Order: sequence, then structure tokens, then C-alpha cells
Amino acid sequence: GAGVSQSPRYKVAKRGQDVALRCDPISGHVSLFWYQQALGQGPEFLTYFQNEAQLDKSGLPSDRFFAERPEGSVSTLKIQRTQQEDSAVYLCASSYGQGAQPQHFGDGTRLSIL
Amino acid sequence: AQSVAQPEDQVKVAEGNPLTVKCTYSVSGNPYLFWYVQYPNRGLQFLLKYITGDNLVKGSYGFEAEFNKSQTSFHLKKPSALVSDSALYFCAVSEAPGSSNTGKLIFGQGTTLQVKP
Repeated sequence: GAGVSQSPRYKVAKRGQDVALRCDPISGHVSLFWYQQALGQGPEFLTYFQNEAQLDKSGLPSDRFFAERPEGSVSTLKIQRTQQEDSAVYLCASSYGQGAQPQHFGDGTRLSIL
Repeated sequence: AQSVAQPEDQVKVAEGNPLTVKCTYSVSGNPYLFWYVQYPNRGLQFLLKYITGDNLVKGSYGFEAEFNKSQTSFHLKKPSALVSDSALYFCAVSEAPGSSNTGKLIFGQGTTLQVKP
């Protein structure tokens, strides 16, 4: 079956522009996570959805970052007024439940801010 | 606070030799422990997990890991390395589900495994 799909794979934006990153999770997966992976680092948690409810957004680095999952399936991570430090790979993961269920990751969106 | 440490940035082994990638963790409650592998320009692929039960867990591609509660370690092992095992390996921890736990993963910094022919 299809895995987690993320688009675009690569995004280049100028500083100050807004960007939107899309995640299409595995069908039927209740839990959806966003992570940020800086070059040479491990992924860091950004936010978590259970169906359409955003239950944890403690990892969002600033109020420029916004995520939504309005119908409990596709999710969008939006970054407003991008800055150079936002350059990273943004990974989306989904799982059937939480905790013991392994998370399935997409290939990520590599964001470069010029 | 939860944390994961992978003390080695890089591990080099010869093909056919056993490999070990080290991981230690810190978590307040009972941990759920995971290993993931990442190939260049790809997302993370799940290898194995420890939830409860037998301390030795077996996973994909011949990998296994040993949970040691007293040493708070969860080292990844494989009896005979393949060149195709060369990749970036991440250890991760999440707390057992509770009222405030979402299952988010806390990752180590990663260890690059290089298997030479």
C-alpha cells in the first residue's frame, strides 16, 4: 500500500516569503506528527494531531509556524515570513495509534531559505 | 526531560563482522524504544521497537537490539554486517502512553554506519 507522501520534495524560497508543506498520511492512520531535521541532526518534534485535533504543538519554534489537519487526513505545515534558520528537512509521520505503534515517515520536504 | 544519546558519530566495520550501534536513554517512566534507519534523501524507516517483555528484540533486515534497564541502554546489533547496511541510524524514545503523552519521539543525534567490503 501507499506510504506517507510529502510534497513538494524540495522548496526554495526567499527570506520573508510564506511556504506551505503538505503531508498525506497512510489511510486510516489516526496520529500524525511533524518533525524538523536540521542538517546533521536527529529529527525534532514540532506538532502532533490525533485525527483533526492538534493535541500538542509544544515543538513549534515560533508563532510563524502553523499546522492544520482539518478533515483528519491530509495535513499542511505553514511557515510565514520565512527566515534562514527555517532551512531544514521537514518530516511527516503517521501511525495507527500512539505510543507503541511505530511511526511511518515520508521522505520529507527539504526547505531552503535564501 | 526525555533524552537519547548516541555516543558514536560513526561506526566502521568490515563486511561479515558483527556490528553494534550504541544508544542510552533517559525517561521518567517506562520507555518505548525504537531504532530507525535513514538512507540519503529519504525518510526514516522503522527497524524495531521495545515495548515490554523479552529484553532482546528482533527486527527487520537481521537487526536486533538489547534492552538493558539497569544501564538504560538499547544497543542495536547485527551478527554479520552487509555493505548495504551502510546508512544513518537513529535511536528514539517515547514515554509509555498516559494522559499527557502523545507518543512523540525524541531522537538521538544519529550514528553513521559504514560497512567496508
